[in-house]
Amino acid sequence: GQNIDQPTEMTATEGAIVQINCTYQTSGFNGLFWYQQHAGEAPTFLSYNVLDGLEEKGRFSSFLSRSKGYSYLLLKELQMKDSASYLCAVLDSNYQLIWGAGTKLIIKP
Amino acid sequence: IAGITQAPTSQILAAGRRMTLRCTQDMRHNAMYWYRQDLGLGLRLIHYSNTAGTTGKGEVPDGYSVSRANTDDFPLTLASAVPSQTSVYFCASTQGNTGELFFGEGSRLTVL
Repeated sequence: GQNIDQPTEMTATEGAIVQINCTYQTSGFNGLFWYQQHAGEAPTFLSYNVLDGLEEKGRFSSFLSRSKGYSYLLLKELQMKDSASYLCAVLDSNYQLIWGAGTKLIIKP
Repeated sequence: IAGITQAPTSQILAAGRRMTLRCTQDMRHNAMYWYRQDLGLGLRLIHYSNTAGTTGKGEVPDGYSVSRANTDDFPLTLASAVPSQTSVYFCASTQGNTGELFFGEGSRLTVL
């Protein structure tokens, strides 16, 4: 079966750095996506990786290792507004997104 | 309309009633999706449509139906609602076979 694992909840301090991990086992691979979802709101696209390596976009970076079935989202200089759930998703061989359950990130002052 | 719009935003429904959740997008995206999101389970695909006139079943299609008469609209119908269909429903769209989805604001449905 297809499976995506990510931690249920993480806590970090304002101004610090946090890394949210995601491991996946899917039927085929056509890219890995990270979405941000604030409580009570819709998910919004953050990043996309299809090749191994690090993609940097401002304070957020996303890393992919296809051989290990592993990705992480790195958030730097954490701000209170970064408190949200972060969803990892993989586009499988049928071009359907397989979603993880999400990681709730709590930022403390 | 800007982006993707869902209606209603919230609804309480008696079990056994029929309900249609509406979804409209103005981005001319070819692919549209309906997901449900339940605590601890993440997003689960109900139905999808790769282009106007075609639809397909997702992971949890039972009890739901969709239609795609044109590019912009993708309604989701619950023929006879049951309490297990209590959830938050998200409509999404994308252009082509990409994973960069644009989501509506969600419809919170409670079936009693």
